[in-house]
Amino acid sequence: KAGVTQTPRYLIKTRGQQVTLSCSPISGHRSVSWYQQTPGQGLQFLFEYFSETQRNKGNFPGRFSGRQFSNSRSEMNVSTLELGDSALYLCASSPDRASGELFFGEGSRLTVL
Amino acid sequence: GEDVEQSLFLSVREGDSSVINCTYTDSSSTYLYWYKQEPGAGLQLLTYIFSNMDMKQDQRLTVLLNKKDKHLSLRIADTQTGDSAIYFCAETYHNAGKSTFGDGTTLTVKP
Repeated sequence: KAGVTQTPRYLIKTRGQQVTLSCSPISGHRSVSWYQQTPGQGLQFLFEYFSETQRNKGNFPGRFSGRQFSNSRSEMNVSTLELGDSALYLCASSPDRASGELFFGEGSRLTVL
Repeated sequence: GEDVEQSLFLSVREGDSSVINCTYTDSSSTYLYWYKQEPGAGLQLLTYIFSNMDMKQDQRLTVLLNKKDKHLSLRIADTQTGDSAIYFCAETYHNAGKSTFGDGTTLTVKP
């Protein structure tokens, strides 16, 4: 079974731009969640989607948004990028919401200049 | 509230046992997990324990849970250089769709 696939792996943007990151979950997994990883803040929960609906949201500003498609693939978008948005963005899929068992992709490393 | 704490660094010799500790604050946590992150990679699920268990063994890995003290530990037997990585503990709740992670413990294994 293929693992969680995230694209792009690396990207560089400038302040004020916007970015869209993509995540393809493991086949059959219906829950997709996103985390931001930075050296200073560690792993911070962004949001979780299940059956195309956002079920849980972390404490991030409205510039961070996401969606999930009918095939469970998910995208997250960050608008009006700030220097502090530089981070590794990790997507994780889970077969269901019950156990919290997360299977992570390798992440998208965003650098904002 | 939710808070998970870990010591930041651990260094051991190859062949020794490693013990990585974690404390959590929310007694309603249902599942507690250990993940491993190697450089440039995402997190890999290693093992987990339900909150109604005290111990779980999985090959070289042993997880101990002390619910009274809200303390979780991961013991790696016969530690190898390939075990060098960052180890995260995480807590989650049934159907929450969200996990809270510690800051990670960097394990260095010296030959």
